[in-house]
Amino acid sequence: LAKTTQPISMDSYEGQEVNITCSHNNIATNDYITWYQQFPSQGPRFIIQGYKTKVTNEVASLFIPADRKSSTLSLPRVSLSDTAVYYCLVGDEAGNMLTFGGGTRLMVKP
Amino acid sequence: DAGVIQSPRHEVTEMGQEVTLRCKPISGHNSLFWYRQTMMRGLELLIYFNNNVPIDDSGMPEDRFSAKMPNASFSTLKIQPSEPRDSAVYFCASTPGPGASTDTQYFGPGTRLTVL
Repeated sequence: LAKTTQPISMDSYEGQEVNITCSHNNIATNDYITWYQQFPSQGPRFIIQGYKTKVTNEVASLFIPADRKSSTLSLPRVSLSDTAVYYCLVGDEAGNMLTFGGGTRLMVKP
Repeated sequence: DAGVIQSPRHEVTEMGQEVTLRCKPISGHNSLFWYRQTMMRGLELLIYFNNNVPIDDSGMPEDRFSAKMPNASFSTLKIQPSEPRDSAVYFCASTPGPGASTDTQYFGPGTRLTVL
């Protein structure tokens, strides 16, 4: 599986847009990029998944440049409840054993 | 749907005791995963099952750990004997697919284990 690198932590304020970038220089042709969110005392929860360009859902947007060596999770207008750890993962449909890594700890302040 | 159910939610035991953690996956899901989370090591995959068959247990730390899935609706993770370094939050997750990296995993609330 391709290794991913994310910032350990980020701070933001309510109402701001937050962009968390993940580096995956060794991403393979068939790999997808998936992001999970984990609130304190809960299990991770799927946020969004993409292969290229841009994906948007009701929670977030995922931007993937043409070379796919990185991806950016964008959270519009964050609130205090978005304080969580965000994990970036890459893998293909034939792969298994997801590696979550350390994730990015986002702290949203009032 | 009730989601993935884990029991107990909290377990405190003494070193040397046997500990059994339980998981009920979402009905109809074909794959089940056991994870361990600590501050030092993050979220680690221990083992996963597809159609009740263990596919990869290379993440199981040592022989003191064992996992079973006797049917599609129940799995256990057993630690015998337990040690203080086993203290962690243990998560169970399930997916409707075969367990590929692209499958969405649905996590349970976790079991917080403390070994004194």
